[in-house]
Amino acid sequence: QVQLVESGGGVVQPGRSLRLSCAVSGFTFGSYGMHWFRQTPGKGLEWVAVMWYDGSDEYYADSVRGRFTISRDNSKNRVYLQMNSLRADDTALYFCARAAYAGGWYGDYWGQGTLVSVSS
Amino acid sequence: SYVLTQPPSVSVAPGQTARITCGGNNIGSKSVHWYQQKPGPAPVLVVYDDSDRPSGIPERFSGSNSENTATLTISRVEAGDEADYYCQVWDSRSDVVVFGGGTKLTVL
Repeated sequence: QVQLVESGGGVVQPGRSLRLSCAVSGFTFGSYGMHWFRQTPGKGLEWVAVMWYDGSDEYYADSVRGRFTISRDNSKNRVYLQMNSLRADDTALYFCARAAYAGGWYGDYWGQGTLVSVSS
Repeated sequence: SYVLTQPPSVSVAPGQTARITCGGNNIGSKSVHWYQQKPGPAPVLVVYDDSDRPSGIPERFSGSNSENTATLTISRVEAGDEADYYCQVWDSRSDVVVFGGGTKLTVL
């Protein structure tokens, strides 16, 4: 079955960096795009970034563009989120999700998330 | 940027029909996807491309989309349907994913 497992979250000071990882199994990773989403505790879902199946293209939310970078290693079945210049408002539960397309991109399978807390 | 508007809450008695709306400018021209999120915490896709259901999602869940409103309909509501529901589109003008603010469904 499809499984996505995020890791790499933790407590980090403002201005520092953190790298999240998402390990996937149960499908042909190299055939699918991948998303990162996030959710502040008690609030709604927010999309962060998406990368095409072959890494040829990527898009970002305005709130993270220029600070976050999505990447993937198809040989390891992993997608990453490099987060630089972290701010307090980046504190959230971060999810990776498999990207599917039907008239537009969406996430059809999601991981359980990894928690990032940005605090001094 | 494109905005999706959902009611904060919807309440329905067991066995009745719940309708959760998602408003957006000419949303009928876009494909709308719906997620269910219970404490758990991963969201689950319940409807994609306006009205299609992923495998394993009960037929009680259906969707429609026309003009400026998309609707998720849950028939014969059960206690287990109590959750937050989010609509989502891909805004191709800006190449970004957009979510509605979410609707909390309460089963009375």
